[in-house]
Parts: sequence; structure tokens; C-alpha cells
Amino acid sequence: DQQVKQNSPSLSVQEGRISILNCDYTNSMFDYFLWYKKYPAEGPTFLISISSIKDKNEDGRFTVFLNKSAKHLSLHIVPSQPGDSAVYFCAAHDTGGGNKLTFGTGTQLKVEL
Amino acid sequence: DGGITQSPKYLFRKEGQNVTLSCEQNLNHDAMYWYRQDPGQGLRLIYYSQIVNDFQKGDIAEGYSVSREKKESFPLTVTSAQKNPTAFYLCASSIERGRLGNYGYTFGSGTRLTVV
Repeated sequence: DQQVKQNSPSLSVQEGRISILNCDYTNSMFDYFLWYKKYPAEGPTFLISISSIKDKNEDGRFTVFLNKSAKHLSLHIVPSQPGDSAVYFCAAHDTGGGNKLTFGTGTQLKVEL
Repeated sequence: DGGITQSPKYLFRKEGQNVTLSCEQNLNHDAMYWYRQDPGQGLRLIYYSQIVNDFQKGDIAEGYSVSREKKESFPLTVTSAQKNPTAFYLCASSIERGRLGNYGYTFGSGTRLTVV
């Protein structure tokens, strides 16, 4: 049972335009959400996070939006740059799960010149 | 500089052999994790440990074993019982038992295991 879903395995965007990566979840006990960025043959690195008590968090070119009623979050990257080309994982923390994170399947973003 | 070191980066194993993947951290983190990445399946939790001398099975623990004798180290053994061991393995850590911290996990750079 996939509790965190990223339904788009890939996304292609032109440089300078907006990239929108989506993530849906089913567990209402998730209280904290994170986005990680991963390059091939490397470990994921933290990008941005949001608490369930907020609906938006912004950090430079990256903004994460959370819609709790829809159990949906999205990552916006504006403007997109070629160096943003990577796999993006959505992750969620369960209040009753200790430190465990549940990851989505990832979205491969390609930013084209 | 603090971080997590996984070794080796590439590992080849013959069928029927056990192999151990190393994970060492100097971040003074209490909790450590092992994930496996397969194409189209994201990151799946194998084992995790929230404190020394204690660990729990994750979602796909069959065919794997771990130990946590030291806070800094969390080695993963892929046994011959693991039916499909070829994958990219990621080790991670987080700051404190029961707390996640703002940044969630710190990941190592991974080990690519290939069965030949």
C-alpha cells in the first residue's frame, strides 16, 4: 500500500519556466513533509519541508504548498534551471512512526535549454 | 566535516554469497536507516535503528540483517536469502530518537550492489 504517491514519473520543463511536482498521500497522521533532490549515483539531499500546520513554505526559488483537505502537496521551482534536473522525492513523517519517513516513488525532472 | 560515509561505492557479488555494506556517520545522530532504491519504486525501508543495540525491521527486511554495536556504525548484510539483491542501497541518519529535526535525514552517497 503506497501511502505517498508521486503519479508523474517524469516531467520536462524549459529553462526559466515553472516546474510543478506533485505528491499525494493517504495517511492523515502525517504531520511533516519534506522534498529531497537526488542526482544519479548519489544520496538524496534535503530541499525544503513543511509542517502540517502550514499551507506554504518558501525558500528562494523553491516553494512547497500543502493542501491538507486534499492530502496533496506540490513543489514549485521558479525559475527552473538546468541544474535542477534530478529525481525529486516527496517524503512524509507519521506522528506515531518515530523518526521514520515514507517516501514517494520519485519524479524525474528534466530542465531543457 | 560531518557526514555519512558508505563503502564501497560499487560492489559485485556472486549468487549465493553474503555481502556487507558499510555505513559510518560522525554526526552524532542517534537514528540510522537503510533504504533500497529500485527503478520506479522509490526508496523502501529495509531496517532502522533508533539507538545503539536496538533495531527494527522495515518494509522489506527479508534477506537482510543489520547490527548496531556502535552509535557511528550501522552495517547491512545482504544474505543469500535475498532473492533480488541488485539495487542501489542508501544509508541515512537523523538527529535523535523520537525527533526528526527540520532536515529529516542525512543520506550517504549510496552503494550500487550488482549480483553477477
